Amino acid sequence: GENVEQHPSTLSVQEGDSAVIKCTYSDSASNYFPWYKQELGKRPQLIIDIRSNVGEKKDQRIAVTLNKTAKHFSLHITETQPEDSAVYFCAASTSGTYKYIFGTGTRLKVLA
Amino acid sequence: KAGVTQTPRYLIKTRGQQVTLSCSPISGHRSVSWYQQTPGQGLQFLFEYFSETQRNKGNFPGRFSGRQFSNSRSEMNVSTLELGDSALYLCASSLEASGNTIYFGEGSWLTVV
Repeated sequence: GENVEQHPSTLSVQEGDSAVIKCTYSDSASNYFPWYKQELGKRPQLIIDIRSNVGEKKDQRIAVTLNKTAKHFSLHITETQPEDSAVYFCAASTSGTYKYIFGTGTRLKVLA
Repeated sequence: KAGVTQTPRYLIKTRGQQVTLSCSPISGHRSVSWYQQTPGQGLQFLFEYFSETQRNKGNFPGRFSGRQFSNSRSEMNVSTLELGDSALYLCASSLEASGNTIYFGEGSWLTVV
């Protein structure tokens, strides 16, 4: 069945360092890959997304890369700050549907 | 523009009872989807509605149901509540023209005792 694996489950980095979170999806029909940030007690918020016709997308300190052949996509956060501490979820979806398959989440801690 | 609004935000129910949760999408959004979030299972898709029609359904028992009204507002219902139904229920809405992007509400925290 459809599945998205996400690693690592927890990640601690020093402020200013980079953080990388990786996801692998199983459904070849998936062509939309959003990333959400969820702070404690709050709703998931979209931080960046990528579609399958693009290999990389960047937005300031955040970037996402996609390898369709390997069915991998990754989130890269550079120059991490304490406010980046949260749980990050990757997801995979297919055009025309709003059914997202989410990864299990990565708890990122940025140590000051 | 107001975001996705969910009510109630917090509720406590007893096993065997039923519950109805409400969701008002962002103005102009016609697609509404529902997700269950638990520490053990993460974020799981429940169902998605567009123009009052269910377009997709996740792997949940028939006790979980939903509907959408002509103004795009949506409700989900869980009957015969079980302890394991305790979760954060998130509603999300989408504007068709935005592709697949969905925007979440703050959620309804359900505790079953």
